[in-house]
Order: sequence, then structure tokens, then C-alpha cells
Amino acid sequence: EAQVTQNPRYLITVTGKKLTVTCSQNMNHEYMSWYRQDPGLGLRQIYYSMNVEVTDKGDVPEGYKVSRKEKRNFPLILESPSPNQTSLYFCASSLLTSGDRNEQFFGPGTRLTVL
Amino acid sequence: DQQVKQNSPSLSVQEGRISILNCDYTNSMFDYFLWYKKYPAEGPTFLISISSIKDKNEDGRFTVFLNKSAKHLSLHIVPSQPGDSAVYFCASGTYKYIFGTGTRLKVLA
Repeated sequence: EAQVTQNPRYLITVTGKKLTVTCSQNMNHEYMSWYRQDPGLGLRQIYYSMNVEVTDKGDVPEGYKVSRKEKRNFPLILESPSPNQTSLYFCASSLLTSGDRNEQFFGPGTRLTVL
Repeated sequence: DQQVKQNSPSLSVQEGRISILNCDYTNSMFDYFLWYKKYPAEGPTFLISISSIKDKNEDGRFTVFLNKSAKHLSLHIVPSQPGDSAVYFCASGTYKYIFGTGTRLKVLA
């Protein structure tokens, strides 16, 4: 089954404790991206990657790191989490040239709480 | 500041009637516009998109209209069904995306 998987699905942590949220896709997509969803703010893009070793900042990259060492994986790293990073996080992937559809496939989400 | 705005946080429509969801944007350079649907506890799913060179795109019950002069797009759902009840996000971009804040649609049986 074609899918984007994220782990963990739920995480409660404390301020300053480094964490990684993993994202993996099995569709051989070149493009991958991370978003956070907050009440009243919709989805905001954190980072995106157009291929292996190619990453770029989205709208809200501060406090996050990413890496793209393999095509299928795009982990999101919070080196020193803070309470304002409490949010619902989504990973997404797509073909690089989807034509008109330009469709991203989203994972199920990771709910992160930073105390 | 590049923005995509959905000014209606919620919308209720009777089953079988038309649902119209609206979205405004500020940057005339945006190439693509997309609509995603999101159910609770799930990731968004792609619904329909439109290129900036078109003014209409249809897919079954869903039609997106783009008015470039007004920097406005709308999603029409006809006929609306209870299963359409979800949060709808409009978005723009090619690789760097800007999403609206979402409109919660409730279709009443």
C-alpha cells in the first residue's frame, strides 16, 4: 500500500530534550515536506526537500532541522524543543513534477507536546 | 507577506445543496492552487488543483474556480453529501507552500 508513515504518532517530552520524528514514504517520491498545524493558523510549512541532500526552509523553520540522506526518509529533528513547538506535525511527499495535480500525500500526523 | 486567506472558519450546508468554500491570496505570482480535505485524526488528502493559466477545473462533484484579477478562488461541491463534512484547506505554491487556515464544512442530513 502506498503510504507515508510517521513515528511516533504521539509524543510528550520536556523542554530541551532532543527528539526526532521519523517520516518514510514508499512511493519513490523525490519531494518531501514537513508541516505543523496549530489552531487558527492552519498548516505551515517547516522544511521541504526536492531530493536527496537537497533541503530548503519553509515558512517556519526556526528550531527545527531536517536531513535527507535517503530518498524514502525525511526525519524532523528538534535539537532543543520548547513549549511553543507543541503542535500537530505532518509529513508529506509527492512526485517532483506532478503536472496540474501537484498532489502531496500526507502522513497521519504526530502530536507533540513539549512541557 | 505572501498569504492565503480563508475568511470563513465554518460553513453549514444542507445535504444535496451546493457548498461554496472561498479563498483569497495576495501574491499574483502563485503558480498552482490546491484544495485539501482533512478529517479528524487523519492527514490532509488532496482534492483538486488548478494551474494559474486556467480559470476552472472540474473533478466529479468538485469544481475549483480561479479569478486572477480578484486573486480569489473557490471550491464548489455539488451535490453536498454528509461524508463531505471535514476541514478544507486551500493552498498555493509549487514546492514552497502556503496554506490557508481552513474552513470547517458541515453537511446536514
